[in-house]
Amino acid sequence: AQSVTQPDIHITVSEGASLELRCNYSYGATPYLFWYVQSPGQGLQLLLKYFSGDTLVQGIKGFEAEFKRSQSSFNLRKPSVHWSDAAEYFCAVGATSGTYKYIFGTGTRLKVLA
Amino acid sequence: GAGVSQSPSNKVTEKGKDVELRCDPISGHTALYWYRQSLGQGLEFLIYFQGNSAPDKSGLPSDRFSAERTGGSVSTLTIQRTQQEDSAVYLCASSLKAGNTEAFFGQGTRLTVV
Repeated sequence: AQSVTQPDIHITVSEGASLELRCNYSYGATPYLFWYVQSPGQGLQLLLKYFSGDTLVQGIKGFEAEFKRSQSSFNLRKPSVHWSDAAEYFCAVGATSGTYKYIFGTGTRLKVLA
Repeated sequence: GAGVSQSPSNKVTEKGKDVELRCDPISGHTALYWYRQSLGQGLEFLIYFQGNSAPDKSGLPSDRFSAERTGGSVSTLTIQRTQQEDSAVYLCASSLKAGNTEAFFGQGTRLTVV
C-alpha cells in the first residue's frame, strides 16, 4: 500500500522568495505522483503530475517538481512566490497496479507575506 | 457535465439521522473516488469505484458508511446514524480511467452533525 508524508504543516515565505514544499512517499514501485492546490473554500486543482520519463515536471502557475527515486521524494518548487499562491498544497501518490486509488498527504499550508 | 458535481453543497443534520451525499462525475470517467477532509486534516480515502464495482472499500470508517454507483455514473455516499465525528467535507473525484491519469475533484459537501 502506498503512503505519503508532507513533513511541513505550515510554511511562511515572503512574496518574491523561492519556495520548496517537501513530499516523501512509500510505494513498492515507481508510483504516479501529483501535486494539488486547494485555495480557501475551493476544490482541489491539479498543479502537475509525474507518470514516467523526465524527472523534472513543469506545471501550471510556474510550479515545478522533481522526482527523485533514490530519496522517494517529489518536492514542489517555485522560484518566486506570489501572494496569490497562499493556499494548501497536497502531494498525492497513485498506485500503478492493483486498485488505482490516490493517497494524499496531510497537506502544507502556505502563507505569503507581502 | 463540465466538471464533477456534488450535492448538496452543505448539509446540517441531527445526530442519529441518515444522510445521502451525491456525486455526478465527469461524463465518460470510469473511475470515481470518495474522500473525507476534516478540519485541518488531509484527504482521507474512503472508497474507489471502477465502473459500478468497488475494488477498494478499505477506507470506509465503519459499517455506518456505504456507497454505491449506478450506471457507471452517479454515486451516492450514505452515512447512517450520523455522529458528530462524521462532520467533515466529503469530496468526490473522478478520473478518465484508473491508473496514469489525474483525478478531478468536485467542490465537496460540507456535512455538519449537530
